[in-house]
Amino acid sequence: EDQVTQSPEALRLQEGESSSLNCSYTVSGLRGLFWYRQDPGKGPEFLFTLYSAGEEKEKERLKATLTKKESFLHITAPKPEDSATYLCAVQPRISGGYNKLIFGAGTRLAVHP
Amino acid sequence: GAGVSQSPRYKVAKRGQDVALRCDPISGHVSLFWYQQALGQGPEFLTYFQNEAQLDKSGLPSDRFFAERPEGSVSTLKIQRTQQEDSAVYLCASSPGLANEQFFGPGTRLTVL
Repeated sequence: EDQVTQSPEALRLQEGESSSLNCSYTVSGLRGLFWYRQDPGKGPEFLFTLYSAGEEKEKERLKATLTKKESFLHITAPKPEDSATYLCAVQPRISGGYNKLIFGAGTRLAVHP
Repeated sequence: GAGVSQSPRYKVAKRGQDVALRCDPISGHVSLFWYQQALGQGPEFLTYFQNEAQLDKSGLPSDRFFAERPEGSVSTLKIQRTQQEDSAVYLCASSPGLANEQFFGPGTRLTVL
């Protein structure tokens, strides 16, 4: 069964304290792995797509990496505005050719001044 | 409109009532998805439309759930005889093609009393 597990469930950081969020997955062939950010009361906001092991993508203080079993979202010198829930999702290769996503439960990040 | 819009943003229903949730995707987007998000969890796939065709409804929890997209743009998710376990945020997402990143709306929070 396709499954996505994110850890930790919640993370509290001081401003400037770098850390990493983990996304472990089992999937029947990976077409793509997606990272989203979700603020309270809003829909998920797209951050990155990764397609193959070894791939990395960066955006401001965020960097996503991918291996054959997991992905990491590295946050460098975070600021309070980075506080949000970060969601990881996989697109199985066998999905009818369309982008059906399987999400993890998310990591709730709180960055304090 | 620059993004995906959903209405109403909040809906309170008495158990047994029927509800209809509306999604206006980004103009020209071929793919439209509905997800259900329980409190503290990631979104779970409900159904997928490619233009007006509903190609996957494997995630709909019961036959009380029905979705349509008759003209290939606006979509409606209807829940008949609502139950307390239907309480959740219902998210709509669209994407320009079949395998691109998805753009989410703000969601409709449904509370069934």
